[in-house]
Amino acid sequence: DAGVIQSPRHEVTEMGQEVTLRCKPISGHNSLFWYRQTMMRGLELLIYFNNNVPIDDSGMPEDRFSAKMPNASFSTLKIQPSEPRDSAVYFCASSVANLDTQYFGPGTRLTVL
Amino acid sequence: KNQVEQSPQSLIILEGKNCTLQCNYTVSPFSNLRWYKQDTGRGPVSLTIMTFSENTKSNGRYTATLDADTKQSSLHITASQLSDSASYICVVSEGGGFKTIFGAGTRLFVKA
Repeated sequence: DAGVIQSPRHEVTEMGQEVTLRCKPISGHNSLFWYRQTMMRGLELLIYFNNNVPIDDSGMPEDRFSAKMPNASFSTLKIQPSEPRDSAVYFCASSVANLDTQYFGPGTRLTVL
Repeated sequence: KNQVEQSPQSLIILEGKNCTLQCNYTVSPFSNLRWYKQDTGRGPVSLTIMTFSENTKSNGRYTATLDADTKQSSLHITASQLSDSASYICVVSEGGGFKTIFGAGTRLFVKA
């Protein structure tokens, strides 16, 4: 298995633009997590899906952020409109079940100018 | 307030030496505790996961302990290698496993 796949690996955009981050979890994994990591705040859980259903989105910073999981093999995290303070590395992770070992993707480094 | 505190913030050791990283938490109710290793520029990699009933778990040269009574965990690294240089993050999940609280991490530097 190729592991968790994220795209793009790097994204540079201007303030106000829409940004869409993509994630393909490991096949057979039922739980998917989106994280954000910054130097100031460390690693933060944004949202968690179980069997494609959002279970807890309390970590999503505000209405500009939205996440979807239309099927078991694909998820997106969208920021609209983007702001400079959204600059961070965004990780996607998946696990067989929510309490099992999570496998992280390589991350998407987002820079909002 | 649920918190996870790690110490030390950073640590420098010589190759071949052992070291122990600490994690104290106030999360309640407790579900599980995970230790992750994160190399610079890469995603975290899970080292161990422990539930309430487990008090020790090993993964190669990494051994994690958990004292649920005192709400403390430690990660012991034996015979350190240069490749152990990374950040080590302690993560505690609340009961039900949906809420996760992250520690700030310990940055470990292993020198030759």
